[in-house]
Amino acid sequence: GQNIDQPTEMTATEGAIVQINCTYQTSGFNGLFWYQQHAGEAPTFLSYNVLDGLEEKGRFSSFLSRSKGYSYLLLKELQMKDSASYLCAAGDSNYQLIWGAGTKLIIKP
Amino acid sequence: IAGITQAPTSQILAAGRRMTLRCTQDMRHNAMYWYRQDLGLGLRLIHYSNTAGTTGKGEVPDGYSVSRANTDDFPLTLASAVPSQTSVYFCASSDSTGDGANVLTFGAGSRLTVL
Repeated sequence: GQNIDQPTEMTATEGAIVQINCTYQTSGFNGLFWYQQHAGEAPTFLSYNVLDGLEEKGRFSSFLSRSKGYSYLLLKELQMKDSASYLCAAGDSNYQLIWGAGTKLIIKP
Repeated sequence: IAGITQAPTSQILAAGRRMTLRCTQDMRHNAMYWYRQDLGLGLRLIHYSNTAGTTGKGEVPDGYSVSRANTDDFPLTLASAVPSQTSVYFCASSDSTGDGANVLTFGAGSRLTVL
């Protein structure tokens, strides 16, 4: 079957670094996506990885290992506004997205 | 308006009633999607449309129907609402259906409660 696993909740301190992990199993693979969703709002696109390695975009970086079915989202210099849920999604052989349940990130001062 | 507009924002509905959630986009995206989001679960695809005039079933299509008469509009209809359809519904669109990053733009969501 198809499955995405990510931690339910994480807590970090303002100014620190946090890594949110995601493992996936899909029939076929067409990229790994990360979205950010603030409470009561719509998800917004953060990053896309289709090749192995690290993609850096400002304070956010995303890593992919296709052989391990593994990705992580790295957030640096955490700010209070980074408190949100982070959704991992993998594209399957039909280019449809399989979504994880999301990781709620709580930032403490 | 730039993006996706969903209506209503929130609705309380009696079981057995018919309900249509509206979705309009102004980005001329080819593909549109309806998802439901429930606590503790990932977004689940209800129906999708790769281009105007075509629709397809997602992971949880039962009890829902869609139409795609033109590029901009993609309404979702619940023919006879049941309490298990209580959820937050998100409409989304993308300008690609494959061969690359299929980045979705989401509407603000419609919170539906079926009593």
